[in-house]
Parts: sequence; structure tokens; C-alpha cells
Amino acid sequence: DTEVTQTPKHLVMGMTNKKSLKCEQHMGHRAMYWYKQKAKKPPELMFVYSYEKLSINESVPSRFSPECPNSSLLNLHLHALQPEDSALYLCASSRGVGTITDTQYFGPGTRLTVL
Amino acid sequence: GQNIDQPTEMTATEGAIVQINCTYQTSGFNGLFWYQQHAGEAPTFLSYNVLDGLEEKGRFSSFLSRSKGYSYLLLKELQMKDSASYLCAVSYYGNNRLAFGKGNQVVVIP
Repeated sequence: DTEVTQTPKHLVMGMTNKKSLKCEQHMGHRAMYWYKQKAKKPPELMFVYSYEKLSINESVPSRFSPECPNSSLLNLHLHALQPEDSALYLCASSRGVGTITDTQYFGPGTRLTVL
Repeated sequence: GQNIDQPTEMTATEGAIVQINCTYQTSGFNGLFWYQQHAGEAPTFLSYNVLDGLEEKGRFSSFLSRSKGYSYLLLKELQMKDSASYLCAVSYYGNNRLAFGKGNQVVVIP
């Protein structure tokens, strides 16, 4: 089983709203990732959690706030977003971080539209 | 940056063979991954290469030359469902990131 699940599939929010994206995996993976992807572009890394601790923040604006409540769950809290934040938000997980066979498996993504 | 370079788009006929190339900076190379991504969907893992040579998985094969900083993905017996973007991603030592290429859009026509 290489399944990563994400909810919701689609989200439309106003610039003053607060919402959260959720990601879950039950593969025993200890690294989890948030990516942002714009149309016809590759995924851009936002955050990496390793063993439930934030290990990488790619200078992401504070209106995006990640949270890793346990080893299976990863959240992304959204507040005061801008229209240019509209994108596909992808969650991924891997067994560990930095070893040779650390394939990242992606969830289906949340299509976010900010009005 | 790691300068992951891929051509942007190609069209091929059903049943044909296509080769998608990827070049990258060799310093600190740890492994190379190929992903398939259909429009609006998540990337799906296809293959990874760590050592030089060819890895075959059914209709898909991936090749790596570490000394040349070069990989290719070979798609054989193309099917309509193979129309997608193919992403090359490289892992580097001491780094928790995958460096993605821009992706190569393959369009399969009847």
C-alpha cells in the first residue's frame, strides 16, 4: 500500500478565511512534505517534517502554517491567503529522509482557489 | 540550483516509442526518480535509478549515467493513457529535497 490521502479535494476560500488542508498516510513513513504546484510547473517544496519535527521551511510566508500532530498526519493551516496562492497543494511521504531509496509518494492533492 | 533540465513537450503516435531525457548536476548525486503526472492529478512514482544502467519495468525503462549526469525514460508501445507530464527529480546527499525538472509533456495521438 502506497497510499497518501488528502482532504479536501477542492477548496474555495476568501482572503479573510481560515481553513486547513489535511494529509494522512499509514505506511509508517517518518518524513512528510508539503508542495505547491502551479499549472504546467513542477512541484515546489514548501515544508518537510522528519520524525514529526519541522526540518525544512522553504521561506514560506507565515500565512501558511504546517502542523504534524503525529507520524501519520500532516496539516497545513491557511489564513489570509492571496489570490496568487491558488494552486494544487500536494502532500507526500517517504520512509525516511536522505537515504538512497527514499521514494516520495504523493497524495492526490487539494485544488485551492483563493478569491 | 541543481539545474535539472528536460525538454518541454513532444507528440507521438499510439504504439510508438518515445525517449524523454533529463540532465542534472552530478556533484552530490544520490538518486534519480521519474514520476508521471496526469493533468490535475498527483505525480505517480514510476522508477528510480541509483547505479548506472537500465532499469526495466514493463513498458517503461529508465537509464542512468552518473558520470554524464544524464538519464532517460523510455516509453514503449505508447497508449493514449500515457499522455501526461513526465517529471525527472534528483536527490542530493545532505539534502532533504527533491530537485524537480520542469517536466516533459507527452501527447499521444491515434
